[in-house]
Amino acid sequence: KAGVTQTPRYLIKTRGQQVTLSCSPISGHRSVSWYQQTPGQGLQFLFEYFSETQRNKGNFPGRFSGRQFSNSRSEMNVSTLELGDSALYLCASSLVREQFFGPGTRLTVL
Amino acid sequence: QKEVEQNSGPLSVPEGAIASLNCTYSDRGSQSFFWYRQYSGKSPELIMSIYSNGDKEDGRFTAQLNKASQYVSLLIRDSQPSDSATYLCAVNPLGAGSYQLTFGKGTKLSVIP
Repeated sequence: KAGVTQTPRYLIKTRGQQVTLSCSPISGHRSVSWYQQTPGQGLQFLFEYFSETQRNKGNFPGRFSGRQFSNSRSEMNVSTLELGDSALYLCASSLVREQFFGPGTRLTVL
Repeated sequence: QKEVEQNSGPLSVPEGAIASLNCTYSDRGSQSFFWYRQYSGKSPELIMSIYSNGDKEDGRFTAQLNKASQYVSLLIRDSQPSDSATYLCAVNPLGAGSYQLTFGKGTKLSVIP
């Protein structure tokens, strides 16, 4: 069974730009969650989608947004990038309670 | 503020020894608890989940949960150099129907050959 896939794997952007990251969950999983990982803050929850609906949102500014499509694939968008947005962005999919992470997208903001 | 606390380490153990990793959480209503292993430069990998008080064993790994003390632990028996990684404790504070996880900062484990 294929795991969670994320694209792109690496991304370099400049301040003020926007970026869209993509996540394809494990087949049959309907929940997709997004996390940001930085050395200083660790893993922090961004938001969770289930059947195209956002169920929970973490404590991040409105520049961070996401959506889920009918095939459970999800995208997250960050607008007006700041240097502090440099991080590993992780997507996780769930069938029941356990979450399985994808390889992540490493975003560098210059 | 729902928090999950772990000792950052590093925790160094000799090969073949038992490594003991600990985690406390603040939200008494938490229902689901997980341990992830993360190698440097990689994403977290789920190694154990536990939902009720007591012990749960899977191979060389044993997870222990004590909800009254708000404490979760992971024991790794017969530690191997390949176990050297950062171990993340994660808690679902919202219960069934939500998959939002709160993570600790992780404990870095080093197994010395």
